[in-house]
Amino acid sequence: GAGVSQSPSNKVTEKGKDVELRCDPISGHTALYWYRQSLGQGLEFLIYFQGNSAPDKSGLPSDRFSAERTGGSVSTLTIQRTQQEDSAVYLCASSFRGGGYEQYFGPGTRLTVT
Amino acid sequence: AQSVSQHNHHVILSEAASLELGCNYSYGGTVNLFWYVQYPGQHLQLLLKYFSGDPLVKGIKGFEAEFIKSKFSFNLRKPSVQWSDTAEYFCAVNVMDAGNMLTFGGGTRLMVKP
Repeated sequence: GAGVSQSPSNKVTEKGKDVELRCDPISGHTALYWYRQSLGQGLEFLIYFQGNSAPDKSGLPSDRFSAERTGGSVSTLTIQRTQQEDSAVYLCASSFRGGGYEQYFGPGTRLTVT
Repeated sequence: AQSVSQHNHHVILSEAASLELGCNYSYGGTVNLFWYVQYPGQHLQLLLKYFSGDPLVKGIKGFEAEFIKSKFSFNLRKPSVQWSDTAEYFCAVNVMDAGNMLTFGGGTRLMVKP
């Protein structure tokens, strides 16, 4: 079946611009996660959505980062006023439920801030 | 906060050599443990997981891992590596009473020489 998809696959933006990254989880998966993979910091958790519950935003690095999940499916991660340190690969994952169920990862969006 | 350590950052082996990659975590409570692999140019894929039961778990492609609770370890092993195992390997932990996210180790880059 279809896996997690993300778009765009690559995004180059100028410092100070806003960007939106999209994630389509596996159908039927109620849990959705965003992670960031960068050279200096490895793989870091950003935010978690589970059904209609309030998201766990504990990993967001600053208030320039936000995410939403519409209709319990597609999610958008928004970074406002991008900075060069935001350059990274942004990964989305989904799982059947939260609580430790295995997470299936998408191919990621490589963001480069110039 | 919990942390995950992978002590070997780079490993170079010849084909048919045996592999053991170390993973240690810092949390003493109930955990779910995972190994993910990222082949060059591909997205993260689950190799194996431990939730409960037999501490020796077998995954895909001949990999296995052993959970040793007293050592807070979950080392990955393969008796005989192949060139196609060249990839980056990530250990990850989900702490069951501390959120639904995965905490990843820094990764180990494995190069298998033909």
